[in-house]
Amino acid sequence: KQEVTQIPAALSVPEGENLVLNCSFTDSAIYNLQWFRQDPGKGLTSLLLIQSSQREQTSGRLNASLDKSSGRSTLYIAASQPGDSATYLCAVLNYGQNFVFGPGTRLSVLP
Amino acid sequence: NAGVTQTPKFQVLKTGQSMTLQCAQDMNHNSMYWYRQDPGMGLRLIYYSASEGTTDKGEVPNGYNVSRLNKREFSLRLESAAPSQTSVYFCASSEYTSLADTQYFGPGTRLTVL
Repeated sequence: KQEVTQIPAALSVPEGENLVLNCSFTDSAIYNLQWFRQDPGKGLTSLLLIQSSQREQTSGRLNASLDKSSGRSTLYIAASQPGDSATYLCAVLNYGQNFVFGPGTRLSVLP
Repeated sequence: NAGVTQTPKFQVLKTGQSMTLQCAQDMNHNSMYWYRQDPGMGLRLIYYSASEGTTDKGEVPNGYNVSRLNKREFSLRLESAAPSQTSVYFCASSEYTSLADTQYFGPGTRLTVL
């Protein structure tokens, strides 16, 4: 059974820092991996989707990498801003056509 | 476009009561999903509908039923609510359940079962 974990559970950084969020999964047989952002009391917004054949995806200040063989993905946020404060979740799409989500990392960027 | 909408936003039930959570999407997506989110556990898939007229169980289907009413609407029903079903429920949709599928989420329904 696929399990997805995220470290750290919470992170607090001063504005302007570059930071890395980690996601690990136990079964490397995945179609893709997505990173989502969730603001308090709101739904999820998809940030980046990495296909299993890809190594990374970039969108603005966000860069996500995927190492399928080791079961790891990282989300890199450059020059963090207070508006980046949210919970970040990763999710993998299994060959069984279902998504498995991690518990999330709660990020606070302090002005 | 409203995207994915859910009603109600909040609901309090007593044990044994029934209710239906409504979800609609206006993006002409083929696939729709119901998740529950509990603290520290991430989102877990309850049911999904890969296309109009089909539904399949996800990871935690017990205690729930779903109806794909048409391409736009996918409802989740709790026949006899239990305190263990206290959670935040999210509906999502995607164009296909394929390799390059991005899911779009609704704002959630916060359900408390007393």
